[in-house]
Amino acid sequence: GAVVSQHPSRVICKSGTSVKIECRSLDFQATTMFWYRQFPKQSLMLMATSNEGSKATYEQGVEKDKFLINHASLTLSTLTVTSAHPEDSSFYICSGEKTGTDTQYFGPGTRLTVL
Amino acid sequence: GQQLNQSPQSMFIQEGEDVSMNCTSSSIFNTWLWYKQDPGEGPVLLIALYKAGELTSNGRLTAQFGITRKDSFLNISASIPSDVGIYFCAGQTGAGNQFYFGTGTSLTVIP
Repeated sequence: GAVVSQHPSRVICKSGTSVKIECRSLDFQATTMFWYRQFPKQSLMLMATSNEGSKATYEQGVEKDKFLINHASLTLSTLTVTSAHPEDSSFYICSGEKTGTDTQYFGPGTRLTVL
Repeated sequence: GQQLNQSPQSMFIQEGEDVSMNCTSSSIFNTWLWYKQDPGEGPVLLIALYKAGELTSNGRLTAQFGITRKDSFLNISASIPSDVGIYFCAGQTGAGNQFYFGTGTSLTVIP
């Protein structure tokens, strides 16, 4: 199989605080991990692509200083939403591309609500 | 970023009917993937296609990688209520490159 976990699944925080979301590939190595944001009834919007051991590549319009991504190992990537604001409330989903394949496996998502 | 043209946007069908949806792109892809997403959850991989012309089945699901490498379709035969959800296609131009997603097809199955 190819299982990706995300933690936490839901988080509610106050405006101005920072939130860290973890994405782990449990039974495979992921050289490349992706972070997406999804609004209700819409498709996935790619935020950034991260390769293990190097800096993430952010999509146009995504602030790298606000959405900090770390991909320190082949099985773990983290997304930190810094100084969160209500407009950052969304469903964040990570995925890992299984090394040696062209196939992407998604985590279950994290629902972030900023009050 | 680029999004793939996916159609139809939504479908309402009777249980037992067959379903067909497709994705087209202006770019050539090396990989086509089809996912199903239930509300509040991440997309789950249904079928992966790696070669032009490839036809792959997964139970009642069948998907094909178009010969031109710019399109793919997904068929669901004999639909059941648990097929309800949003289906996304995704294409990739090469290993390690980003995946481009379709706009999604919302499927409702009426018992």
